[in-house]
Amino acid sequence: NAGVTQTPKFRVLKTGQSMTLLCAQDMNHEYMYWYRQDPGMGLRLIHYSVGEGTTAKGEVPDGYNVSRLKKQNFLLGLESAAPSQTSVYFCASRLTSGSYNEQFFGPGTRLTVL
Amino acid sequence: GNSVTQMEGPVTLSEEAFLTINCTYTATGYPSLFWYVQYPGEGLQLLLKATKADDKGSNKGFEATYRKETTSFHLEKGSVQVSDSAVYFCALGAFSGGYNKLIFGAGTRLAVHP
Repeated sequence: NAGVTQTPKFRVLKTGQSMTLLCAQDMNHEYMYWYRQDPGMGLRLIHYSVGEGTTAKGEVPDGYNVSRLKKQNFLLGLESAAPSQTSVYFCASRLTSGSYNEQFFGPGTRLTVL
Repeated sequence: GNSVTQMEGPVTLSEEAFLTINCTYTATGYPSLFWYVQYPGEGLQLLLKATKADDKGSNKGFEATYRKETTSFHLEKGSVQVSDSAVYFCALGAFSGGYNKLIFGAGTRLAVHP
């Protein structure tokens, strides 16, 4: 089992460029999440999905879009990158709902927007 | 609302010292509580969890007790090692805003010196 994988690991963009971050999980999890991590702020939820074909907004969704066309993949898109989106992005997955269930995290993508 | 407050870091200790990282929470209902650890350059991984009051979670020599009366979930270890150097996140799992979510504290960086 690879668990949760993320592509790419690092990326540098110029303001206004677009990109897609890919998250893949091989654990047959229903729920998937995208977070951003900024210094001193913990992790903040961007978008999440409760199953194939579904997406929903989290705490900080502005400037991002997501898609979950296949159960194992969850894509995060930036249509027009801004310096405020410089961050480390983490994908996570969870088997089912239930606040007691742990989330499994990917290794992260470090994005810099110049 | 739901929130998590952790002690600010960094925490710097000598090897074999006793560790406490304080975590308090505010929540409606009965959340689950988690400690995640993030080693340098990696994603978060679950360290331990507790799902109801008075539960004690433990793993790798770390432990934390779910104290409903003081709304706390402090992380402790009797003798830290250099390999414990990492960032530790306290989190609560709750149903809020229409979905099951994890709410993270800001993280506490631990540095252990030989």
